[in-house]
Amino acid sequence: KNEVEQSPQNLTAQEGEFITINCSYSVGISALHWLQQHPGGGIVSLFMLSSGKKKHGRLIATINIQEKHSSLHITASHPRDSAVYICAVRGQGAQKLVFGQGTRLTINP
Amino acid sequence: DSGVTQTPKHLITATGQRVTLRCSPRSGDLSVYWYQQSLDQGLQFLIQYYNGEERAKGNILERFSAQQFPDLHSELNLSSLELGDSALYFCASSPGPDQGKLFFGSGTQLSVL
Repeated sequence: KNEVEQSPQNLTAQEGEFITINCSYSVGISALHWLQQHPGGGIVSLFMLSSGKKKHGRLIATINIQEKHSSLHITASHPRDSAVYICAVRGQGAQKLVFGQGTRLTINP
Repeated sequence: DSGVTQTPKHLITATGQRVTLRCSPRSGDLSVYWYQQSLDQGLQFLIQYYNGEERAKGNILERFSAQQFPDLHSELNLSSLELGDSALYFCASSPGPDQGKLFFGSGTQLSVL
């Protein structure tokens, strides 16, 4: 079992739909990152969080430390949101990030 | 634009060869991280340098080495290349020694033929 599991692996939705991507991890962590990787390959850091909830525009990230679970929500989804979304965690006392396998999101117009 | 510059964007080479990937971090960032992304393994952390010193090591092969220079740019050296080394190699930077918000370069696509 991977330390970081994402679901679903693939998600296709219509423009305007509310999107949820889930990330579960098996170790105690000091931080969790959500990254976005566009088809061209570039990676952008969306959020870094260790508790609670963060919001940026139409994106919302939440984390439940007790349940070892985080979600990334996209409201009013748009075709430009089509990308691979990657969850990564930094274990307590660790320096390295461990990555999930990513969720491929496709938003159709 | 993240402010992190990676060169070259693409590299095609043969098995057994040696290549050097270069990364210039965002202005003011002291940490540089190297990651490998392959189709079967996903993203994996290789190594981190902070202000010229190695700070953390991940799944980096002995055939691979890295360094960070006084001007804070970093180089990742890959030697005795194998077909399985074909991957996208990313560099990222952050201001401090711990992995806060990361700023990624656009990556170097390495193809070993």
